[in-house]
Amino acid sequence: EAQVTQNPRYLITVTGKKLTVTCSQNMNHEYMSWYRQDPGLGLRQIYYSMNVEVTDKGDVPEGYKVSRKEKRNFPLILESPSPNQTSLYFCASSLGGPFYNEQFFGPGTRLTVL
Amino acid sequence: ILNVEQSPQSLHVQEGDSTNFTCSFPSSNFYALHWYRWETAKSPEALFVMTLNGDEKKKGRISATLNTKEGYSYLYIKGSQPEDSATYLCAFYNFNKFYFGSGTKLNVKP
Repeated sequence: EAQVTQNPRYLITVTGKKLTVTCSQNMNHEYMSWYRQDPGLGLRQIYYSMNVEVTDKGDVPEGYKVSRKEKRNFPLILESPSPNQTSLYFCASSLGGPFYNEQFFGPGTRLTVL
Repeated sequence: ILNVEQSPQSLHVQEGDSTNFTCSFPSSNFYALHWYRWETAKSPEALFVMTLNGDEKKKGRISATLNTKEGYSYLYIKGSQPEDSATYLCAFYNFNKFYFGSGTKLNVKP
């Protein structure tokens, strides 16, 4: 089944404890992206990747890192999480650039930082 | 930061009503406009990708139009059904980045 998977789905952690949220897609998509969703705000883009080894900042990259060593995987790394990073996170991918192609979203990861 | 606005924020209609919402975005440097449907406890799902001024797209009872010169897109739902209840998001794509509106939450009462 064509899909975008994220792990974990739920995570409660403490301030400063490094964590990684994994994202994987099995559709051979080139474009991948991370978003966060906060109440009252639209989805905000954190980082995106046009292809392997090509990543760039979105609107709200502070406090996050990403890597794209393989086409299928795009992990989101929080080196030192803080309470203001408590949010619902979505990974998404699209075939080629999203100029013509729809994004497919993962199931989401709900992160709480205490 | 680009501003993408959606109106109204929420909408309550009766089953069978037709409805429409608006997405406003910058009219310069237009690349694409995406519409997504987001049901509670699920992930956003793509409805339309629109790229050309004057584009009209349709999927079942849902359709969308695009005006890139004035910077707006309309989403129409004809004969709303309870299963149409969801949040509808638009996203402006520009220089490889996405800028989402905060959505229109539609509630269709049986």
